[in-house]
Amino acid sequence: DSGVTQTPKHLITATGQRVTLRCSPRSGDLSVYWYQQSLDQGLQFLIQYYNGEERAKGNILERFSAQQFPDLHSELNLSSLELGDSALYFCASSVRDYNEQFFGPGTRLTVL
Amino acid sequence: GESVGLHLPTLSVQEGDNSIINCAYSNSASDYFIWYKQESGKGPQFIIDIRSNMDKRQGQRVTVLLNKTVKHLSLQIAATQPGDSAVYFCAENDADSSYKLIFGSGTRLLVRP
Repeated sequence: DSGVTQTPKHLITATGQRVTLRCSPRSGDLSVYWYQQSLDQGLQFLIQYYNGEERAKGNILERFSAQQFPDLHSELNLSSLELGDSALYFCASSVRDYNEQFFGPGTRLTVL
Repeated sequence: GESVGLHLPTLSVQEGDNSIINCAYSNSASDYFIWYKQESGKGPQFIIDIRSNMDKRQGQRVTVLLNKTVKHLSLQIAATQPGDSAVYFCAENDADSSYKLIFGSGTRLLVRP
């Protein structure tokens, strides 16, 4: 158990819908990262927050957004969902930047 | 629970043998590298890391070797056990954004009893 929690574990929804994935970092970690893992593209970095502020951005679609709250938990919002958004979404946290990242168990999103 | 693609390179080893998993990284300016292990249905788990000012680092049963000349990283697992069966990813930091990790495509390790 890495200490990073993610909810829900599984999510099944329809195209065009909007979902929110939630992540709680390890106690004391200020950085939260979101990754997408699909069958054909491996682990892709989406976005990072550090102590509530956006720190780095990857190939995150405009339909996706995220935020980190004062209690340091983070949410990833996915809207206008498409079939191709079906993937595992992982959250990771680290004490600060440039550090070992600890991954949560992931949320499996299925878009039908 | 599959977590990665079906076309991963696969390394099959006998239990008790040593395993070597290789990774070529892309950016000569990358200065931090990590190996992760991902078991089916789980998130990636940190194994070992190395910074570019080193060429070797050892952990418990694992050794990471870094060859900056050819941009090559390897993970050596000694006395491989059935519990080592998983997909292994190398990751490098993005030199333009030191906070972002770029993951390789992964290697599946199968340990034969």
